[in-house]
Amino acid sequence: KNQVEQSPQSLIILEGKNCTLQCNYTVSPFSNLRWYKQDTGRGPVSLTIMTFSENTKSNGRYTATLDADTKQSSLHITASQLSDSASYICVVRDSGGYQKVTFGTGTKLQVIP
Amino acid sequence: DGGITQSPKYLFRKEGQNVTLSCEQNLNHDAMYWYRQDPGQGLRLIYYSQIVNDFQKGDIAEGYSVSREKKESFPLTVTSAQKNPTAFYLCASAGGDGYTFGSGTRLTVV
Repeated sequence: KNQVEQSPQSLIILEGKNCTLQCNYTVSPFSNLRWYKQDTGRGPVSLTIMTFSENTKSNGRYTATLDADTKQSSLHITASQLSDSASYICVVRDSGGYQKVTFGTGTKLQVIP
Repeated sequence: DGGITQSPKYLFRKEGQNVTLSCEQNLNHDAMYWYRQDPGQGLRLIYYSQIVNDFQKGDIAEGYSVSREKKESFPLTVTSAQKNPTAFYLCASAGGDGYTFGSGTRLTVV
C-alpha cells in the first residue's frame, strides 16, 4: 500500500530561525513529489514539484530536496517568518494519473515572535 | 484570473438533510476531484472525474454523490446516508503541472 509519512507532526520555531520538514514515501512507481502549504481553513497551495531526476529545487526561502533511492524528501525553510505558520503537506504521485496520489498527514508549523 | 472556486465557505446541515457543495473552475482542466480533510488525517479522495459526463468513486464515496454535466463544474452532494459528514471539503482540478485546489468548504452538522 502506498504511504507517505511526514515528520514532525508539529513544530514551533522562533521567527528568523530555519527548519526542515521530512517526508518519507513508499509510492511506486514514482512520478513526482510536491510540497504544498495550507493555511488554516484554506486550500493547499503548491510550493515545489520534483521529479525523479531532480535532487533539489528552490522557491524563495523554501528549498526541497529529493532522494529517490531512499524515497525521502525534505522541505527546508530559511529565515522563517510569521506568515510561514501553516500546515505543509507532502504529496506523492505514481504513474497512474492524478487520482493515484497519496497525501501525507502534514506538518503543522507555528512560527512565533 | 484562472482558478477554482468553492462555495459556500461555511455550511451547516441538519441531520437527515442533503446538501450540495459547489466547485467551479475556469482553468480548462479535464480532471476534477473532491477530497475530505479531517484533523490529523491526510486528504481522502471521495470522487473524481476525468472527463465530462464521467466520474469514478474514490476511497470514501459512500454517502456522497456527484455530477459532471459541464467541464467547469463538479458539485458534490452530501446525502443523509453519510453518517459523519462534519469535515473540511476540498475540490481540486488537475492539469499538466499538478493540482489546483479550491479554498474549501467547512461543513458542520447541527
